[in-house]
Amino acid sequence: NAGVTQTPKFRILKIGQSMTLQCAQDMNHNYMYWYRQDPGMGLKLIYYSVGAGITDKGEVPNGYNVSRSTTEDFPLRLELAAPSQTSVYFCASSSTGFEQFFGPGTRLTVL
Amino acid sequence: QKEVEQNSGPLSVPEGAIASLNCTYSDRGSQSFFWYRQYSGKSPELIMSIYSNGDKEDGRFTAQLNKASQYVSLLIRDSQPSDSATYLCAVRNNTGKLIFGQGTTLQVKP
Repeated sequence: NAGVTQTPKFRILKIGQSMTLQCAQDMNHNYMYWYRQDPGMGLKLIYYSVGAGITDKGEVPNGYNVSRSTTEDFPLRLELAAPSQTSVYFCASSSTGFEQFFGPGTRLTVL
Repeated sequence: QKEVEQNSGPLSVPEGAIASLNCTYSDRGSQSFFWYRQYSGKSPELIMSIYSNGDKEDGRFTAQLNKASQYVSLLIRDSQPSDSATYLCAVRNNTGKLIFGQGTTLQVKP
């Protein structure tokens, strides 16, 4: 199993541009999550999903959107990128909603 | 008061010593607690979960939970330089979401 995969690894965006961060898992997990991690900080939950077609907001959802059309994929959309969205983004999945397993992350810089 | 608090460190211990990492949480209804290890530039890796009061041991790692004091800790015995990393405490709150502390940086010196 590849586990949780994320693309791209790195990206530089200009202010106002949009992009989609991809996340996929091959463990048939129902629960999937998007977090951001700013330097020296813990992880903040952006959005999560408990199954295909079901998504909900986390702690810091503003400026982001998600969709979950399949069990495997959970893309995160950034619209109108702002410097405050410069961060490392982690996708995670879980079979039970308890123990979560993380992808390798996407390092995003908005200039 | 932050929901999950950790001392950011760095915590420096000599090789072979016991490293003790601490975490406090504010939601008294929390039932599930996790420790993640994060190497610099890498993603968090789950190393321990604990759900009941008391100790849980896994190899050189022991997680300790005291719900009355709202305190969870991680002990690393026989610390190795490869244990040098940031350790994140995470607490599952009553809405089912994981709340992370800011992490404690551990340095194990040879």
